[in-house]
Amino acid sequence: AQTVTQSQPEMSVQEAETVTLSCTYDTSESDYYLFWYKQPPSRQMILVIRQEAYKQQNATENRFSVNFQKAAKSFSLKISDSQLGDAAMYFCAYRSDMEYGNKLVFGAGTILRVKS
Amino acid sequence: DTGVSQDPRHKITKRGQNVTFRCDPISEHNRLYWYRQTLGQGPEFLTYFQNEAQLEKSRLLSDRFSAERPKGSFSTLEIQRTEQGDSAMYLCASSLGLAGARGEQYFGPGTRLTVT
Repeated sequence: AQTVTQSQPEMSVQEAETVTLSCTYDTSESDYYLFWYKQPPSRQMILVIRQEAYKQQNATENRFSVNFQKAAKSFSLKISDSQLGDAAMYFCAYRSDMEYGNKLVFGAGTILRVKS
Repeated sequence: DTGVSQDPRHKITKRGQNVTFRCDPISEHNRLYWYRQTLGQGPEFLTYFQNEAQLEKSRLLSDRFSAERPKGSFSTLEIQRTEQGDSAMYLCASSLGLAGARGEQYFGPGTRLTVT
């Protein structure tokens, strides 16, 4: 079974600075997807960024980028120019590329606090 | 489209009572997922449907839990004889039934259950 580990329960960053959230995972599959989801307080979860395992190039979405190290099974999220609205719980998630059983497996999350 | 909706948003019940939650997915999505999220943790997969067929159930889904998606549209999750350990946020997500990147899951706001 796949597992996802987020070793940082909480992180803080100063507004306009850069922060990196860590994630490691364990799988025996070669084809899969990795995601970072954002869950603001009392609001629904939204997708921040997605990485296909077969792609060597790291995904980027505006101020958000990932560092995907397939051999090390590491998938970190970098947030540049942090904004107050980035404050939320961030979840790293894994999904198999199989047609069936493509449920998401989540880590325990990292609370990100942004200081003004 | 207004996205995934869930009803009710909050439910307080006494131990031993039955509760039912509803999820309305994005209209063209044929896959629907239920997850459970306890305080400070990541969501855990419970079950998923493709159209009206329930294709996978987690071991977390005890005999007291039942989920249906009778016409392949909305879904209900019922918990019988609730226990205090059932207190959690119940999240619903939907996706297009495609492997690969198109299988992105969209989440609803969740139903927060408190069992007293």
